[in-house]
Amino acid sequence: AQTVTQSQPEMSVQEAETVTLSCTYDTSESDYYLFWYKQPPSRQMILVIRQEAYKQQNATENRFSVNFQKAAKSFSLKISDSQLGDAAMYFCAYRRKTSGSRLTFGEGTQLTVNP
Amino acid sequence: ETGVTQSPTHLIKTRGQQVTLRCSSQSGHNTVSWYQQALGQGPQFIFQYYREEENGRGNFPPRFSGLQFPNYSSELNVNALELDDSALYLCASSLAAQAGLGSPLHFGNGTRLTVT
Repeated sequence: AQTVTQSQPEMSVQEAETVTLSCTYDTSESDYYLFWYKQPPSRQMILVIRQEAYKQQNATENRFSVNFQKAAKSFSLKISDSQLGDAAMYFCAYRRKTSGSRLTFGEGTQLTVNP
Repeated sequence: ETGVTQSPTHLIKTRGQQVTLRCSSQSGHNTVSWYQQALGQGPQFIFQYYREEENGRGNFPPRFSGLQFPNYSSELNVNALELDDSALYLCASSLAAQAGLGSPLHFGNGTRLTVT
């Protein structure tokens, strides 16, 4: 079974600074997707960034980028120029390529942004 | 484009009762999945529906059941409620070209269920 581990229950960052959230996963599959989702107090899960395992290039979305290390099964999220609106719970998630909408989530990292 | 909507937003039930939660998928999406998120934890996959048929189930007992309708909206039913069923229930929709494949999920705001 696939597992996703987020070892940082809480992280904090100063506004305008950079922060990195860690995620490791375990799988025997070679082709899969990895995601970072953001869950603000509104409770809605918002997709931040997606990485396809067969793509070696790290995904980037504006201020958000990932460091995908397939051999190490590591998938960290870097947030640059942190903003107050980035404060939320962040979840790392894994999906097998053929598992439809079945995601395996980590336990989450609560990010606080200090003004 | 209408997003994923869930109803009700909050619900309080008594142990042993039954509950039905509803989800309207995003326009054009044909796949719906349900997740249970206990307080302080990541969401856990319950099941997914593709074109009105269950197509994948997580580690949840049979008292968790669902339906998907021709308009792709969905219901989650939980019978014989237990205290541990208290959680946020999230619905997500996506567009799948075929069963097993899919685009990124779009989530609703969830239903907060409290069982007393």
